[in-house]
Amino acid sequence: AQSVTQLDSQVPVFEEAPVELRCNYSSSVSVYLFWYVQYPNQGLQLLLKYLSGSTLVKGINGFEAEFNKSQTSFHLRKPSVHISDTAEYFCAVSKDSGGGADGLTFGKGTHLIIQP
Amino acid sequence: NAGVTQTPKFRVLKTGQSMTLLCAQDMNHEYMYWYRQDPGMGLRLIHYSVGEGTTAKGEVPDGYNVSRLKKQNFLLGLESAAPSQTSVYFCASSLKNTYEQYFGPGTRLTVT
Repeated sequence: AQSVTQLDSQVPVFEEAPVELRCNYSSSVSVYLFWYVQYPNQGLQLLLKYLSGSTLVKGINGFEAEFNKSQTSFHLRKPSVHISDTAEYFCAVSKDSGGGADGLTFGKGTHLIIQP
Repeated sequence: NAGVTQTPKFRVLKTGQSMTLLCAQDMNHEYMYWYRQDPGMGLRLIHYSVGEGTTAKGEVPDGYNVSRLKKQNFLLGLESAAPSQTSVYFCASSLKNTYEQYFGPGTRLTVT
């Protein structure tokens, strides 16, 4: 079984400042890693994913994340945030076998609050 | 191309009533999923399907049933609703071996 821990339930940041949202995972098998964003009253949208290759992954809206296998982490970063980045961010994992059939395991989410 | 759609968007039920939530996708995806989202809990997998006519239990399947009679549709049923099933329900779909899930807009269900 897998589990995902998002260490911060809420992160307030000033506009144009950098931000890092932390994600750690636990798994007895190899996993793929994902970050999703949920804007108010909407579904989830994929920000970025790590399946293989370079451990630094770039996604949409200027976000990036780095996979660290030894620390079992997949922290999300953005060098300069905008008011429109205010949303809930979810880290998720999937077993790297089975084609993704048995779904994702999500963290509890981090609410990113951008202050003007 | 509508992606993943969910019907209805909102619903209020009394304890003991039944209802069915409909999820439809027009992307020809093999895999479909139902999740529930509760405050401070993230999303948890209820049931999933790897193809027409097949379903499997996820993390929190109790009190729910599902059916996938057509590849594009995945139904979630509550036979006897309970207040603990008050939640936002999300459907998702994915292409086999891509691991990328596409989510619908959600259904907000309140059971009183």
